[in-house]
Amino acid sequence: NAGVTQTPKFRVLKTGQSMTLLCAQDMNHEYMYWYRQDPGMGLRLIHYSVGEGTTAKGEVPDGYNVSRLKKQNFLLGLESAAPSQTSVYFCASSLTAGRQSPLHFGNGTRLTVT
Amino acid sequence: QQQVKQSPQSLIVQKGGISIINCAYENTAFDYFPWYQQFPGKGPALLIAIRPDVSEKKEGRFTISFNKSAKQFSLHIMDSQPGDSATYFCAASINNDMRFGAGTRLTVKP
Repeated sequence: NAGVTQTPKFRVLKTGQSMTLLCAQDMNHEYMYWYRQDPGMGLRLIHYSVGEGTTAKGEVPDGYNVSRLKKQNFLLGLESAAPSQTSVYFCASSLTAGRQSPLHFGNGTRLTVT
Repeated sequence: QQQVKQSPQSLIVQKGGISIINCAYENTAFDYFPWYQQFPGKGPALLIAIRPDVSEKKEGRFTISFNKSAKQFSLHIMDSQPGDSATYFCAASINNDMRFGAGTRLTVKP
């Protein structure tokens, strides 16, 4: 059982380049999330989706875009990468929202922007 | 501003000892307080969680203590083992909004 799969695992970008991170889940979860993890900051929510075709902004959405064209996939895009976007990115999914449904995380993508 | 404050940043405990990690929150609307455990190179995984109408929850060696009036909660790991060495995150949420603490790196020395 794969759970939540993130690709790629590592990526190095130059400032101004663009890229897309892919998240796939096989648990038929409705909700999907993108977080970034930075030292001393914990995990901060970038964008989330409450179902196929929907997206919403989280705590730190600037500089990122997302799409949820299929229920099982959630894409995170960086149109013009900046060094401040150097981070570890985690995708998560949950069956519903709130306390009845824990988050299931992928293993992360480490992005370095030079 | 960080809505969930976690301390300490790092913790070293001898095998068999008790590990204690503390968190404080600001938003009284939060209705779910989970703890996540993260090993190097992996994503966080749910360890244990509590609702605000319960003062304590125990699962094996892991206990959450919750103080609603003080807006604080803590994780206690009894009989700490080297395999517990990981980063622990507290969180507080309501609906889709989950806020995480900054994390505590726990090292259990054999």
